[in-house]
Amino acid sequence: GDSVTQMEGPVTLSEEAFLTINCTYTATGYPSLFWYVQYPGEGLQLLLKATKADDKGSNKGFEATYRKETTSFHLEKGSVQVSDSAVYFCALSRYGGSQGNLIFGKGTKLSVKP
Amino acid sequence: DAGVIQSPRHEVTEMGQEVTLRCKPISGHDYLFWYRQTMMRGLELLIYFNNNVPIDDSGMPEDRFSAKMPNASFSTLKIQPSEPRDSAVYFCASSSRDRGDEKLFFGSGTQLSVL
Repeated sequence: GDSVTQMEGPVTLSEEAFLTINCTYTATGYPSLFWYVQYPGEGLQLLLKATKADDKGSNKGFEATYRKETTSFHLEKGSVQVSDSAVYFCALSRYGGSQGNLIFGKGTKLSVKP
Repeated sequence: DAGVIQSPRHEVTEMGQEVTLRCKPISGHDYLFWYRQTMMRGLELLIYFNNNVPIDDSGMPEDRFSAKMPNASFSTLKIQPSEPRDSAVYFCASSSRDRGDEKLFFGSGTQLSVL
């Protein structure tokens, strides 16, 4: 079945460091791919998305490119801030465009130290 | 808009008791989803509704779990009887396909502890 695998955390970085969180997927067809972020004590929020191969999603300095050839959607940010500390989830849509039918990865906790 | 509202934020109960979690979706959204988050299994979709009708409940773990959506502004997830392994954070989320860029909005979750 469809699945998402993302790197184990936690990830601890210093402020202004470069961030990469790896995400790979297994899916039939052509899923849409998403990154969600969860701040402490809150629900998940959509960070960015890509709906087809070679699309790049971006938001708040974060970027991810839909790579069909490597079935990957790695999250990157050039310079992280303390406020980026959160749990990041990679996800794919199971049924075309509906975002609710999502399969999530286990999440990667990011801690950014000043 | 107040966003997706869930209650209670925290629930502590004893094994065997009935637990009811509540959710108010964003007004105008026609999809509502219940997710469960645990350390071991991550985020799992339990059930989702479209226009108040359950569409897919294949993620509901067993008959002890039931969900209802009596109207467009309210849904419940009930566990009866509850067990310690049901301890998790339960999220409700809503979305609408009629607003162009579909986006899923999550509530803040209910932290359930079954002793």
